[in-house]
Amino acid sequence: DQQVKQNSPSLSVQEGRISILNCDYTNSMFDYFLWYKKYPAEGPTFLISISSIKDKNEDGRFTVFLNKSAKHLSLHIVPSQPGDSAVYFCAASVAGTASKLTFGTGTRLQVTL
Amino acid sequence: GAVVSQHPSWVICKSGTSVKIECRSLDFQATTMFWYRQFPKQSLMLMATSNEGSKATYEQGVEKDKFLINHASLTLSTLTVTSAHPEDSSFYICSARTGPSNEQYFGPGTRLTVT
Repeated sequence: DQQVKQNSPSLSVQEGRISILNCDYTNSMFDYFLWYKKYPAEGPTFLISISSIKDKNEDGRFTVFLNKSAKHLSLHIVPSQPGDSAVYFCAASVAGTASKLTFGTGTRLQVTL
Repeated sequence: GAVVSQHPSWVICKSGTSVKIECRSLDFQATTMFWYRQFPKQSLMLMATSNEGSKATYEQGVEKDKFLINHASLTLSTLTVTSAHPEDSSFYICSARTGPSNEQYFGPGTRLTVT
């Protein structure tokens, strides 16, 4: 039972354009969401997070949007840069579960010149 | 800050042998460490949560006698894959939590290949 889903396994975006990565979840108990970036043979690197009390969080080129009613979140990267090419995972947790994270399946982003 | 290391970065072993993977928090004390497993092109699956000085909590479906976890200090947790089989071949990643916040810092992972 995949509680966190990233339906697009891959995405290709031109440099300078906006990248939008999507994530859907089914467990209504999730109240904290995170995005991680991962290069091959490396561990994930934390990018940005959002609590369920917010619907938007911004950090530089990265913005995460949360739509609780739709159980959907998205990560916007603008402008996209070639160094952003990696696999992006969304993750979710429930308060009080010692930060146990449930990860999505990942989306491979390729930023082309 | 918040650097997590893993050793070894890759290991090849024969079926039936045991392999130990170390996870260290280099510049902070980690009361909680997590062990994940990732199959090719798949998500990271949480295997167990390790708290310093106590027994690890395993996720459903993870054999605790096969994947031995020890968290002997605030900076070190180890995962031992016992009697390894080819199906145990995977990418194992640990993470550490600095405190009550939800942010986890991940190690670089260990590629295990069982022949």
